[in-house]
Formats: sequence, structure tokens, C-alpha cells
Amino acid sequence: QKEVEQDPGPLSVPEGAIVSLNCTYSNSAFQYFMWYRQYSRKGPELLMYTYSSGNKEDGRFTAQVDKSSKYISLFIRDSQPSDSATYLCAMIDSGGYQKVTFGIGTKLQVIP
Amino acid sequence: GAGVSQTPSNKVTEKGKYVELRCDPISGHTALYWYRQSLGQGPEFLIYFQGTGAADDSGLPNDRFFAVRPEGSVSTLKIQRTERGDSAVYLCASSRTGEEDTEAFFGQGTRLTVV
Repeated sequence: QKEVEQDPGPLSVPEGAIVSLNCTYSNSAFQYFMWYRQYSRKGPELLMYTYSSGNKEDGRFTAQVDKSSKYISLFIRDSQPSDSATYLCAMIDSGGYQKVTFGIGTKLQVIP
Repeated sequence: GAGVSQTPSNKVTEKGKYVELRCDPISGHTALYWYRQSLGQGPEFLIYFQGTGAADDSGLPNDRFFAVRPEGSVSTLKIQRTERGDSAVYLCASSRTGEEDTEAFFGQGTRLTVV
């Protein structure tokens, strides 16, 4: 079993839809949770970063972390064609540096 | 520079050859990471440098892989006796410090193809 499970998709939604992406994890040592966006043939770029359980909002993006269920989510409101990319969930344990464990990534396509 | 720069962007090499992949981190960033991303997978950690020293090389798959950062800035990932299974995108990232709560910035990667 992988430490981080993520549905690879692809996920196709119409423009303006609310998108829900999620990951589950098995390692209780994970303390920091992130979502990265990766466009084709580009490096990942950080979207959201959370430490504790709960919600964090940034514009159209909301990240949720439920440590008790080992489940994290990313919601995208009013999705745009420019949101079409692969979304990677990512986690760090409390080892003191950024040794990141990534999910497989979910490929999202927003149809105009 | 403005971001993390990796060269070359693409590298095609024959099985058994030696390759070097270069990473220029953001100026002033003390932490540098290498990851490998195989097709359809998420990036996998290879090695972490804090300054000139490799603080964690537990992700290097075997002794054919080696990385250096002699002056605490540019890093080179070296792969000996390449195998077809080494084909992947090799990503470099840097952050201001190595701490968990500082953002790491990724380069665009080097796409390595071993034929």
C-alpha cells in the first residue's frame, strides 16, 4: 500500500463547476499538507499549504485536512479552463526538512 | 536568477552511458532537493542538500546515482551506466531554508530518455 493514495482521474468538468480533489494517507507522522499544481512539461508549483486539521481558503481554492481520518481535500470554485492541470497532493513528516511524499496526481480538465 | 534553472531540458542517452544533470537554485537558497518523476507518477524524493552537504540521500535508488553541491549553490546529479528504467523527469527544487514551513520552488525538470 502506498503511503499516499490519490485517484489519477482524469477528471473532466464544465467551466464554472466546483471541483473536489482528495487524497488519503497512511503515515501518522505526516504533519504538513500541501497541494501542488503541475502543468504539462513544467515543474510543480505550490498552491496551498496547511499544518493543522481544518480549512484554509485562498481565493477560489480551499484546502481541508482531517488528520483523524487521514484525509485531505482541495476544492476549486468557479473552475476555469486555465485550471486544467495535474494536481498533486503532498505531505511532509516532522523530520525537520522538506522531504516531500507526493500522491500520483489527478489530471483535471475544465471544458469551456 | 528568477527561478530554479535546470539544464539540459531534455537529454537522450544510450544505455550504459554516463549523464550529468545540472540544477541552478534560486540565489540565497540553502536547501536543495532532487526528485524523480516517472511517467504518470508523482515526484519521488532522491536527495536533500543543506549547504554543501547531503543531509539525506536515502532516496537515491542505487550506487549508480550520485549528487554533489560543492559550493553550496549549483548541484549536479550524476548517473553512471544508465539503464532504460532511469528514463524519467528529474526535478530540482530549492528553498530558503530546509525547514518544513518554507516554500520549495521547483525547476521545469530535465527529461531523461535512455534508449
